[in-house]
Amino acid sequence: QQPVQSPQAVILREGEDAVINCSSSKALYSVHWYRQKHGEAPVFLMILLKGGEQKGHDKISASFNEKKQQSSLYLTASQLSYSGTYFCGTESVRYKLTFGKGTLLTVNP
Amino acid sequence: DSGVTQTPKHLITATGQRVTLRCSPRSGDLSVYWYQQSLDQGLQFLIQYYNGEERAKGNILERFSAQQFPDLHSELNLSSLELGDSALYFCASSVDLATDTQYFGPGTRLTVL
Repeated sequence: QQPVQSPQAVILREGEDAVINCSSSKALYSVHWYRQKHGEAPVFLMILLKGGEQKGHDKISASFNEKKQQSSLYLTASQLSYSGTYFCGTESVRYKLTFGKGTLLTVNP
Repeated sequence: DSGVTQTPKHLITATGQRVTLRCSPRSGDLSVYWYQQSLDQGLQFLIQYYNGEERAKGNILERFSAQQFPDLHSELNLSSLELGDSALYFCASSVDLATDTQYFGPGTRLTVL
């Protein structure tokens, strides 16, 4: 079952914040977040494991609500380099990632 | 550069043909994953190998098969190709568990005419 990502697209000005959500109908072992720029391979951002721990990585952080099977990716003080498509991948069956359709983030000067 | 290499970069072939895509994982990584990315299907997990053994299977067609060799490189074989098989095929590797970071290779773009 594919996780649902929202919003589908978001446009920001440099310095603004954004939140991308990922929701699953199944119990999850983990949630993975990736960013993919046009014509390039996905690049790992972070993994969140069962336990609801919030993780951070520079100005990008994420949380995982185990009860709701939802994860959110927080991008603060966005930079031009944040532009790309963000995918969440959920692991409801061990070792098998199922990806959402992606959220296209555009950061303008 | 993720350290994962894939060859070839581009592949153009005809319907009904068979192709082999190759992936070399990062040094020290035991797990290899194959993904397919197309406009209509998005990013889909195909199959995972760990140290030569198949560990997990996703949406992989019966016409597709994969293996991981003793030197840990992996090959994805696609046969009886159809137009709908045209896609980007990514390989990723990780040290061990699925909860480890997966590093993606640059991908192989397959075009079936």
